Amino acid sequence: GDKVKQSPSALSLQEGTNSALRCNFSIAATTVQWFLQNPRGSLMNLFYLVPGTKENGRLKSAFDSKESYSTLHIRDAQLEDSGTYFCAAEASYAQGLTFGLGTRVSVFP
Amino acid sequence: ETAVFQTPNYHVTQVGNEVSFNCKQTLGHDTMYWYKQDSKKLLKIMFSYNNKQLIVNETVPRRFSPQSSDKAHLNLRIKSVEPEDSAVYLCASSAGQGRVYAEQFFGPGTRLTVL
Repeated sequence: GDKVKQSPSALSLQEGTNSALRCNFSIAATTVQWFLQNPRGSLMNLFYLVPGTKENGRLKSAFDSKESYSTLHIRDAQLEDSGTYFCAAEASYAQGLTFGLGTRVSVFP
Repeated sequence: ETAVFQTPNYHVTQVGNEVSFNCKQTLGHDTMYWYKQDSKKLLKIMFSYNNKQLIVNETVPRRFSPQSSDKAHLNLRIKSVEPEDSAVYLCASSAGQGRVYAEQFFGPGTRLTVL
């Protein structure tokens, strides 16, 4: 968790609202991935980023390698968006991902 | 659609026993990984294998050893489990041919409880 710092650690959202999650890196991240871990523990891939921006439905993510951060925006939050969101960075080829500690998101009606 | 398979889903054992977890990927990837997720949900890389060669062996105890029969399989053996080995073990794979970075895909995990 020291090399990849996620904020906030927890977030409570009302349905229909927007929010943003952030990761700051103290390693030279080359690529970034965002995952959603469901209550059963499965990691679902949300985004794979080289520096730049991607959008998928109500989710949008950006990765700035020069400023060493990445963001994940949730628009129009839905109940099914609840779970723990992880960001992870890869600094060197095939060295594995370095994960943040996650942001626990709870969406309520 | 699941493409990284892990067995078993759960395993309960006693201190000192040997356990082995299986991982298979059907994505045709060249690189496979084992991660450990502890009780605080922190995920840490343990091993990385590329084309049957060990690339990363983070500071894990020597009782842990990866075993690969081919590039589609990477198993994890724990020779004599300790209470601190209780965790979820996640397998992943990525395409990464040559020195190309690639997206990693994870299996559902194996939850180990050591009594």
